[in-house]
Amino acid sequence: AQTVTQSQPEMSVQEAETVTLSCTYDTSESDYYLFWYKQPPSRQMILVIRQEAYKQQNATENRFSVNFQKAAKSFSLKISDSQLGDAAMYFCAYREGAQKLVFGQGTRLTINP
Amino acid sequence: DTGVSQDPRHKITKRGQNVTFRCDPISEHNRLYWYRQTLGQGPEFLTYFQNEAQLEKSRLLSDRFSAERPKGSFSTLEIQRTEQGDSAMYLCASSPAGHSYNEQFFGPGTRLTVL
Repeated sequence: AQTVTQSQPEMSVQEAETVTLSCTYDTSESDYYLFWYKQPPSRQMILVIRQEAYKQQNATENRFSVNFQKAAKSFSLKISDSQLGDAAMYFCAYREGAQKLVFGQGTRLTINP
Repeated sequence: DTGVSQDPRHKITKRGQNVTFRCDPISEHNRLYWYRQTLGQGPEFLTYFQNEAQLEKSRLLSDRFSAERPKGSFSTLEIQRTEQGDSAMYLCASSPAGHSYNEQFFGPGTRLTVL
């Protein structure tokens, strides 16, 4: 079974600084998708960024970028110029095709003003 | 596009009672997913529909749980004879058919507390 591991239960960063959240996963498949979701306190989960495994180029969305290392099965999220609104739980997730998402345990990100 | 909606947002019930939750996906989204999230954990998959067909069920979905999507639009999740261990946030998500990378859009969730 596929598993996703986030080894950092909590992270904190100063406003305007850069922070990297780690994620590793385990799969025997070659074609899959990886996602980072953000869940603000008492608010619904929203997609931050996604990566298709067949693409070598790392995905970027404004201040958010990933470092996808397929051989190492690593998928980290870098947040640049951190803002107070970035404070949330961040979940790494794996998906094959149209099937279910498998989530990691989450990393709680705190932004210090 | 009003997003995925869930009703109720909060439910408190006594152990042994039955509860039913409703999810309305984004219109024209063929796929609908249910997840359960306990405090401090990531969501765990429960079940998934494509149109009205229930295509996959997790082993987490015991016999006390049943989900339906009768006309391929809204879905209901029923828990019979609730137990304290059922206390969690129940999340619904939907996505369009077609490209596999399509995003799953999540609803706000229904928080269940079993006393």
